[in-house]
Amino acid sequence: DQQVKQNSPSLSVQEGRISILNCDYTNSMFDYFLWYKKYPAEGPTFLISISSIKDKNEDGRFTVFLNKSAKHLSLHIVPSQPGDSAVYFCAARFGNEKLTFGTGTRLTIIP
Amino acid sequence: KAGVTQTPRYLIKTRGQQVTLSCSPISGHRSVSWYQQTPGQGLQFLFEYFSETQRNKGNFPGRFSGRQFSNSRSEMNVSTLELGDSALYLCASSLISNSYNEQFFGPGTRLTVL
Repeated sequence: DQQVKQNSPSLSVQEGRISILNCDYTNSMFDYFLWYKKYPAEGPTFLISISSIKDKNEDGRFTVFLNKSAKHLSLHIVPSQPGDSAVYFCAARFGNEKLTFGTGTRLTIIP
Repeated sequence: KAGVTQTPRYLIKTRGQQVTLSCSPISGHRSVSWYQQTPGQGLQFLFEYFSETQRNKGNFPGRFSGRQFSNSRSEMNVSTLELGDSALYLCASSLISNSYNEQFFGPGTRLTVL
């Protein structure tokens, strides 16, 4: 049972445009959400997070939006740069429970 | 500061064998978590160790086990390997338990089971 879903396995975006990565979850108990970025041959690196008491968190070019009623999370990257090409994982957790990850979306930025 | 290191980086085994993977966390980090990454399932949590004690466990069969030593280094063991165990195994370390936004991942061990 996939509690965290990333329905788009891949996404291509022109350099300079906005990249929007989406994530849906089914467990309404999740109270903390994270995005990780992974380059080939490297482990994932933490990007940005959001608590369920917020609906938006911003860090430079990266903004995460949380819509609790729709159980939907999105990551916006503006403007997109070639170095943003990577696999992005969303993850969620409830309290001190383990992280539950999505299957990842491969983002390709086209120069 | 050195990052998380995992050895070996690549491993090929045959069905029925067993394998031990090693993870050295960042100096000072006491929590080590293990994940399995496969194309269809994403990252799945295996277990977390903190101060030599297993704190959390994912939904994997008993063939998957781990331990942590007093220097915080951790090992993961998989016995009676199956084809489906082929995956990238990642470990991540953090200063304290459940500190997921402060968690640093190693590059992983790519295990292929033939």
